[in-house]
Amino acid sequence: QKEVEQNSGPLSVPEGAIASLNCTYSDRVSQSFFWYRQYSGKSPELIMSIYSNGDKEDGRFTAQLNKASQYVSLLIRDSQPSDSATYLCAVWEVTGGTSYGKLTFGQGTILTVHP
Amino acid sequence: EAGVAQSPRYKIIEKRQSVAFWCNPISGHATLYWYQQILGQGPKLLIQFQNNGVVDDSQLPKDRFSAERLKGVDSTLKIQPAKLEDSAVYLCASSLIGRSYEQYFGPGTRLTVT
Repeated sequence: QKEVEQNSGPLSVPEGAIASLNCTYSDRVSQSFFWYRQYSGKSPELIMSIYSNGDKEDGRFTAQLNKASQYVSLLIRDSQPSDSATYLCAVWEVTGGTSYGKLTFGQGTILTVHP
Repeated sequence: EAGVAQSPRYKIIEKRQSVAFWCNPISGHATLYWYQQILGQGPKLLIQFQNNGVVDDSQLPKDRFSAERLKGVDSTLKIQPAKLEDSAVYLCASSLIGRSYEQYFGPGTRLTVT
């Protein structure tokens, strides 16, 4: 069973600061990594994906992947109170030697951005 | 485009009772997932269907949980009998074939077992 671990949090940052969310995973063959955002009482929504080593930027969000260290992170620049949510790291694996795959989620990190 | 629909949104039952949840995926999404999310944890996959076949049910507690997707569209998840530790949000998600990493979640059903 793959394990996905996130920094325990909760994480509190002031408005305008950079929020850094971290995730490690146990399986070296994992290839695809995702960040989902979950507002309180709502369902998860996909916000970022990353497949190769390095950085991927999308607006104020940057995902970073280091496969050698089995580490993936999400940076949120110019954090806003509307970014306050739980951020879930997810690792995708192909299952059973077929084209089917499944996501394994970390426990999530609660982020609070205070004005 | 309509999203993933789930019902009921909330359910309170006593332990040892049974309960059923319903999910209707996004139109055209052949893959459907049921997750259990306990408070403070990430979603845990219970079962995955592709069309009306089960792809993965390795984490489904089969002594009390069952799920079906008879016509390859909507799905039902049942718990019988319920235990206190089943209190959680049950999320349904769907995706296109070959894009199981891009899942769209329904609003979930919050189950409280007393």
